Amino acid sequence: DAGITQSPRHKVTETGTPVTLRCHQTENHRYMYWYRQDPGHGLRLIHYSYGVKDTDKGEVSDGYSVSRSKTEDFLLTLESATSSQTSVYFCAIGTSGINEQYFGPGTRLTVT
Amino acid sequence: AQSVTQLDSQVPVFEEAPVELRCNYSSSVSVYLFWYVQYPNQGLQLLLKYLSGSTLVKGINGFEAEFNKSQTSFHLRKPSVHISDTAEYFCAVTLTGTASKLTFGTGTRLQVTL
Repeated sequence: DAGITQSPRHKVTETGTPVTLRCHQTENHRYMYWYRQDPGHGLRLIHYSYGVKDTDKGEVSDGYSVSRSKTEDFLLTLESATSSQTSVYFCAIGTSGINEQYFGPGTRLTVT
Repeated sequence: AQSVTQLDSQVPVFEEAPVELRCNYSSSVSVYLFWYVQYPNQGLQLLLKYLSGSTLVKGINGFEAEFNKSQTSFHLRKPSVHISDTAEYFCAVTLTGTASKLTFGTGTRLQVTL
């Protein structure tokens, strides 16, 4: 794996509670991404970052926010978790230009 | 905007048989193309990529893919599969010349049996 860790790896939470997932990289890559993976949908981009404090929305950003205060950390927050946000969340890092991405091990989130 | 279609959600195949996983993309401009593999309970791993040049691209684990611009396809092939190739395979596309986002297909589950 390309120096990417995600925490926690598993989490169960209740509807309406806030949740924060962390992605940490040791590669000093400029770009970082958050995806969710659901059966029949493949991977869908939630948010991405192109530098410290520079972020933008992906195709399924509603209900999610992100922050990047350091190059190595990219946080994904569910402000008020809903059952539809039960999913496996993947962080990825990438370089500019060709946009080749490297993925973390994933976080399985269950919202009850 | 670009899009990717993986026509087969599941492909069953016997060990040592050849396999082709299909991927078609849609884009009005030049693209880069990727295949990723996901083993159970793991993240995605890059198999191979097409950026430019030769349309036949070789990747890890004996896989290869051919870029066909006229048919807007990027099919993945392996001449002889192993049990260990059982996994989910994702095709992805991004626009050239920018650090733009990857768009993934919905995945193809390759199931290799004896």
